[in-house]
Amino acid sequence: NAGVMQNPRHLVRRRGQEARLRCSPMKGHSHVYWYRQLPEEGLKFMVYLQKENIIDESGMPKERFSAEFPKEGPSILRIQQVVRGDSAAYFCASSPITSGRGTDTQYFGPGTRLTVL
Amino acid sequence: LAKTTQPISMDSYEGQEVNITCSHNNIATNDYITWYQQFPSQGPRFIIQGYKTKVTNEVASLFIPADRKSSTLSLPRVSLSDTAVYYCLVDEGGNTGKLIFGQGTTLQVKP
Repeated sequence: NAGVMQNPRHLVRRRGQEARLRCSPMKGHSHVYWYRQLPEEGLKFMVYLQKENIIDESGMPKERFSAEFPKEGPSILRIQQVVRGDSAAYFCASSPITSGRGTDTQYFGPGTRLTVL
Repeated sequence: LAKTTQPISMDSYEGQEVNITCSHNNIATNDYITWYQQFPSQGPRFIIQGYKTKVTNEVASLFIPADRKSSTLSLPRVSLSDTAVYYCLVDEGGNTGKLIFGQGTTLQVKP
């Protein structure tokens, strides 16, 4: 069973360009989460999605950032008009349908390292 | 969500047992305690989760006192490959979604 897959692993963009980060959850997982990690800091929650629904986007910046998890295909985190402050590692995690006991384990991908020049 | 406090860093030597304590004074009745491990340039990896008393798996043990205001992650006989950042998280049961990561504890294992 393949783990969470993210691509690209490294992405370089110039200021003002768009960045698209892709995440394929583990097989059978219907919940996807995106986190951002700035250098020397912990991970910060951005958004939680289920198929075709955004459940919690309280950690998403109000502008330029959007996320989707379509019925078919990977989840996409899109950053428009990137700025240098967007340079970070972006991690995707997935989990199965909740068991209702404890917090379901989230399985993380290897991350996409975005560098904005 | 309960806030956690853990040491910023710890040093140890190969073969020693390492105990990392996390304080969560405001833990709620429904909160579970979860630990993740993160190696450089990788995503976090689930280690262990517990609610009370002691939990043990093939990787670590988790000790939780009766008042649940703290927890201790115990790593037996660490090796160099255990050098990583360890995060303590507390959150309520059920699918609440987001995990709240603090700064974590950077464990450096020396030969």
